[in-house]
Amino acid sequence: AQKVTQAQTEISVVEKEDVTLDCVYETRDTTYYLFWYKQPPSGELVFLIRRNSFDEQNEISGRYSWNFQKSTSSFNFTITASQVVDSAVYFCALRRTPGNTGKLIFGQGTTLQVKP
Amino acid sequence: DAGVIQSPRHEVTEMGQEVTLRCKPISGHNSLFWYRQTMMRGLELLIYFNNNVPIDDSGMPEDRFSAKMPNASFSTLKIQPSEPRDSAVYFCASSLASGANVLTFGAGSRLTVL
Repeated sequence: AQKVTQAQTEISVVEKEDVTLDCVYETRDTTYYLFWYKQPPSGELVFLIRRNSFDEQNEISGRYSWNFQKSTSSFNFTITASQVVDSAVYFCALRRTPGNTGKLIFGQGTTLQVKP
Repeated sequence: DAGVIQSPRHEVTEMGQEVTLRCKPISGHNSLFWYRQTMMRGLELLIYFNNNVPIDDSGMPEDRFSAKMPNASFSTLKIQPSEPRDSAVYFCASSLASGANVLTFGAGSRLTVL
C-alpha cells in the first residue's frame, strides 16, 4: 500500500527560526517520485520540489532544503530563517511510476505558522 | 500558459440540487485528476483520466458522483443529488502521463451544500 505520513499537524515558529517539516512514506515500488506542495492561505496548491527514488542527493533552493533518506523512507523539508510569507499548509506526496502513473498520494499536511 | 482553469470558483447550493464543476487542463497535458479537500479527510483523489479515458475512479464516493472528459481540453465533475457532506474544495489538476511529471493544480472550486 502507498501511504504518506506527516506526523506534525501544526507548527508555530517565530520569524527567522529554522523549521523542519517531516514526511515519511510507505511504498513497495522501487521506482517512485516524491513531491512537496505548498498551500498558502489563498488556497491554491503550489509545486515546490520533485525527487525521484534514485536520487538521494539533498537539494537546496534559497532558504528551502530537502533531505531524502531512502533508508528511513523520509523526505523532510527545512525552511531556514523562516518568514511570515512561509505561513501555509505544506503537503508531502508520493507518485508511483511506471505502470500506474496516476495517483499522487498526499499526506495530511502540516500547517506552518510563522509569527513576526 | 493560462494554467488549469476551474469554474465556478465558489458554488453555494441547496441539498438535492445538481452541481457541475468544470475544468480545462493545460494544453498538451494528457492526464487529468479530480481531488477533493476537506478538513477531515485531507486531499483525496476522486478520479483520474489518461488520454480522456477514466483510469481509476475508486475514489469516487458513490453513485451520486460522476466525471466525464469528452475531449482533451474539458472535464466535468457532477454531483446529483448534492448533500451537505459534499461541501469541500474540489481541485482539478493536469500533467503529462508519467509519474515523473508534476501535477499542476487549478485554483479549486469551493462547494457549499446547505
